[in-house]
Amino acid sequence: AQKITQTQPGMFVQEKEAVTLDCTYDTSDQSYGLFWYKQPSSGEMIFLIYQGSYDEQNATEGRYSLNFQKARKSANLVISASQLGDSAMYFCAMREPYYGGSQGNLIFGKGTKLSVKP
Amino acid sequence: GAVVSQHPSRVICKSGTSVKIECRSLDFQATTMFWYRQFPKQSLMLMATSNEGSKATYEQGVEKDKFLINHASLTLSTLTVTSAHPEDSSFYICSARGQGRGGQPQHFGDGTRLSIL
Repeated sequence: AQKITQTQPGMFVQEKEAVTLDCTYDTSDQSYGLFWYKQPSSGEMIFLIYQGSYDEQNATEGRYSLNFQKARKSANLVISASQLGDSAMYFCAMREPYYGGSQGNLIFGKGTKLSVKP
Repeated sequence: GAVVSQHPSRVICKSGTSVKIECRSLDFQATTMFWYRQFPKQSLMLMATSNEGSKATYEQGVEKDKFLINHASLTLSTLTVTSAHPEDSSFYICSARGQGRGGQPQHFGDGTRLSIL
């Protein structure tokens, strides 16, 4: 079974500094997708970045980059130049395979609460 | 970008009431929609998956008769919490995915905070 582990319940970072949010995963599939979502206190889930298992380069989206280490099964999110508005819950997720009764649902980690200090 | 609209955003009602939550994909056809439940300070837990025109697939432990899901069109799925009780109070959030697979992300609605008195 697939599993996502986020070991940091909470993180603090100084404004304008970079921060890394950890995510490790477990799967026996060769093809999979990894996602990061941001959830502010208002509740909406905001898609940040995607990494495919066969992607040779680490994904980047603006200030977000994904440090993908396939052999270690880790997909850490790096946020550069943190802003006060980055304070939120961050969830790492993996897409379930499209077989065995699954329809490609996302499996989420427990999340990391990021607090950006001014 | 793709937008998913979820309505209502907040519901407060008496025990025994049935509550309907709508999830609409506004600019794409959502062949698959997912319904999640989230307790405070916890992660999202999948309740059920629905495909347009077919019965929903419920996760283990989710009562089908309690949480009725209808996916009547490619742009609309509804979740009805029947005879709601205080233990059903939670944050419910839907997501939608269009055709195709791979890196296409699920797009989420803004969620519904349900409070049963």
